[in-house]
Amino acid sequence: AQTVTQSQPEMSVQEAETVTLSCTYDTSESDYYLFWYKQPPSRQMILVIRQEAYKQQNATENRFSVNFQKAAKSFSLKISDSQLGDAAMYFCAYREPGAGSYQLTFGKGTKLSVIP
Amino acid sequence: DTGVSQDPRHKITKRGQNVTFRCDPISEHNRLYWYRQTLGQGPEFLTYFQNEAQLEKSRLLSDRFSAERPKGSFSTLEIQRTEQGDSAMYLCASSASAQRDQETQYFGPGTRLLVL
Repeated sequence: AQTVTQSQPEMSVQEAETVTLSCTYDTSESDYYLFWYKQPPSRQMILVIRQEAYKQQNATENRFSVNFQKAAKSFSLKISDSQLGDAAMYFCAYREPGAGSYQLTFGKGTKLSVIP
Repeated sequence: DTGVSQDPRHKITKRGQNVTFRCDPISEHNRLYWYRQTLGQGPEFLTYFQNEAQLEKSRLLSDRFSAERPKGSFSTLEIQRTEQGDSAMYLCASSASAQRDQETQYFGPGTRLLVL
């Protein structure tokens, strides 16, 4: 079974600084999807960024970018110019490709605090 | 696009009672998912529908749990004879099978269940 590991239960960053959240996963598949979701306190989960494993180029979305290392099975999230609104739980998630299982497998999350 | 909605947002019940939750997906999405999230954990997959067909069920979905999606629109998740261990946030998500971002699941705000 696929597993997703987030080794940092909590992280903090100074406003306007850069922070990197770690994620590793275990799979025997060669093609799959990876996601970072953000869950603010008492609010719903929203997609931050996604990466297709067959794409070598790292995904970016404004201040958010990933470092996808397929051989190492590593998928870290970098947040640049951190803002107070970035404070939230961040979950890394994995999904198999194609018409197989559509379920997302999540890590336990990293709680990010932003210090003014 | 009004997003995924869930009702109720909060439910308190006594052990042994039955509860039912409702999820309304994004209107053009034909796939619908249920997840359970306990405190300090990432969401765990429960079940998945494509249109009205329930195509995948997790081992977490005991025989006290039943989910339906009549006519492929909204979905209900019923828990019979609730136990204290059922206390959790129940999340619904939806995705489309015919769009560019078909692999992305969009989450609702969740229903928080407390079993006393």
